[in-house]
Amino acid sequence: KAGVTQTPRYLIKTRGQQVTLSCSPISGHRSVSWYQQTPGQGLQFLFEYFSETQRNKGNFPGRFSGRQFSNSRSEMNVSTLELGDSALYLCASTGVTGRSSYEQYFGPGTRLTVT
Amino acid sequence: AQSVSQHNHHVILSEAASLELGCNYSYGGTVNLFWYVQYPGQHLQLLLKYFSGDPLVKGIKGFEAEFIKSKFSFNLRKPSVQWSDTAEYFCAVSPSYNTDKLIFGTGTRLQVFP
Repeated sequence: KAGVTQTPRYLIKTRGQQVTLSCSPISGHRSVSWYQQTPGQGLQFLFEYFSETQRNKGNFPGRFSGRQFSNSRSEMNVSTLELGDSALYLCASTGVTGRSSYEQYFGPGTRLTVT
Repeated sequence: AQSVSQHNHHVILSEAASLELGCNYSYGGTVNLFWYVQYPGQHLQLLLKYFSGDPLVKGIKGFEAEFIKSKFSFNLRKPSVQWSDTAEYFCAVSPSYNTDKLIFGTGTRLQVFP
């Protein structure tokens, strides 16, 4: 089975711009979670989608948003970028049933640099 | 609010030394507990997890962890580390009713020297 894929892998944006990151979960997985990883704050939960609905949300401002499509692929969007948004954004997918239902499988991440 | 503390930020060991990484969590209800590892340049991978049952959990690559409910702890252990264990280790917790929202500790960087 192919793993979680994220595109693009690297991105450089300017303050004030917006960005969209994409995540394709493992085939058959319907839950997709997003995390922000920074050296200072570590891994922080952004939000989680299941069947195109946001089920969980972390403590991030409204500039961070996401969505999920019917094929379970997910996108996250950050508007009005700030320097502090520079981070590795990780996507994880979770299987709904079976042995994989309680494991999150992580993608390689998208490294976002805001200048 | 839930939180996870990893008190060892950076650990340096020689090969064959024993390893114990501390993890304490704060949450009033039933939790699921995880240890993830991030090798240099690689994805986060699950090392082991605890949901219920035997509090001593065995994972991949010879790692194990013990859940001590009274201490809110889930420490990771390995009796003899190898150079290839050099990586960053993350402890994580989720409420048992919500396994899709993981709260991570800040991580412990482990360096193992030959």
